[in-house]
Amino acid sequence: AQKVTQAQTEISVVEKEDVTLDCVYETRDTTYYLFWYKQPPSGELVFLIRRNSFDEQNEISGRYSWNFQKSTSSFNFTITASQVVDSAVYFCALSDALIQGAQKLVFGQGTRLTINP
Amino acid sequence: EAQVTQNPRYLITVTGKKLTVTCSQNMNHEYMSWYRQDPGLGLRQIYYSMNVEVTDKGDVPEGYKVSRKEKRNFPLILESPSPNQTSLYFCASSPTEAASGANVLTFGAGSRLTVL
Repeated sequence: AQKVTQAQTEISVVEKEDVTLDCVYETRDTTYYLFWYKQPPSGELVFLIRRNSFDEQNEISGRYSWNFQKSTSSFNFTITASQVVDSAVYFCALSDALIQGAQKLVFGQGTRLTINP
Repeated sequence: EAQVTQNPRYLITVTGKKLTVTCSQNMNHEYMSWYRQDPGLGLRQIYYSMNVEVTDKGDVPEGYKVSRKEKRNFPLILESPSPNQTSLYFCASSPTEAASGANVLTFGAGSRLTVL
């Protein structure tokens, strides 16, 4: 069975600090996809990134970066120089490719990130 | 604007009173799904639909029904709500492009349901 674990329930840092959100996943599939979603205080879910299992290159988007390591089944998310607007709940998610073209996302428990001014 | 629209956004009801949460998308997506979000549990899938008249159970389908009579609509029905169905509900949709693999879900804004 697939499983996603975000061990950090809550993280609180001071603005401008770097912060890393951990995500560890379990799957028996060789083809799978990993996601990060952001849920700001307003409640909506905002897509941040999708990664497939064949692409282990790290990705950087502005202050955001993602470190995908198949050897440790991890897909960690780092925010550099954090800002108050980064305060949100962040979800890591996993999907397989068994049902072609449409996948169920299995979500982690979420990490509540608070950036203090 | 491409979006998934859920209604109502907030609802307080009583045990046993049937209710429907509507979901509509304007992106011509084949795939639609319902999730519930609970503290410490993340989001869990309730039901999903691959296309019109094709629905299937997710991980937590008990107490819920769905229908997909039209491509754009995917209502969630609680025939006899109970307090353990108090939760935040999200509808989501995506295309089913097999060649591209996994697709990014577009989520609605959420519906907060309280069952007393």
